Amino acid sequence: DQQVKQNSPSLSVQEGRISILNCDYTNSMFDYFLWYKKYPAEGPTFLISISSIKDKNEDGRFTVFLNKSAKHLSLHIVPSQPGDSAVYFCAASPNSGYALNFGKGTSLLVTP
Amino acid sequence: GAGVSQSPSNKVTEKGKDVELRCDPISGHTALYWYRQSLGQGLEFLIYFQGNSAPDKSGLPSDRFSAERTGGSVSTLTIQRTQQEDSAVYLCASSVNRDTNEKLFFGSGTQLSVL
Repeated sequence: DQQVKQNSPSLSVQEGRISILNCDYTNSMFDYFLWYKKYPAEGPTFLISISSIKDKNEDGRFTVFLNKSAKHLSLHIVPSQPGDSAVYFCAASPNSGYALNFGKGTSLLVTP
Repeated sequence: GAGVSQSPSNKVTEKGKDVELRCDPISGHTALYWYRQSLGQGLEFLIYFQGNSAPDKSGLPSDRFSAERTGGSVSTLTIQRTQQEDSAVYLCASSVNRDTNEKLFFGSGTQLSVL
């Protein structure tokens, strides 16, 4: 069963605007949450993470928000750039040291 | 190279044949993971190695799947008697150790097609 869900398979945003990618999870034991970015024909690369003791983590144009009560997290990219066009995977684990559970990914297209 | 290396990048095989996929992790990384991504699906965990500890095989979908990691470095994922549903991109990743799983470094994957 899918414990990490990304319900939007694709998203299109204009350059300069905000991109918001959403992720829901079902396992209340998850404590670590991560976003990975994947370009075609490449492996995923780590983007940003957040632990359950925080509700926000920011790194440049990327911010991840965590709402534990709703079992929901989101990735905000602002301003969006064409180079951000990629597939974004949400991932979670119960603790550092456990294998990550990945969502199905959201394909982001940033148009000029 | 400095990154995780996987070979072959593409593999086409006939149903019923065995295949071996290779992963060369980043030097010094003690943790190694295999994932696969079937069409339209997320990354599915298969198996995890940490140093000399017994591997976590909980994600292997059937006994046709096995993996080894020799000398704590190179890993081989073997699929016996391949089936069409085994078609997927098989991704290998490594990290410094098990406590840094957010810093997984992925290879480019092996695209396996079973005809």
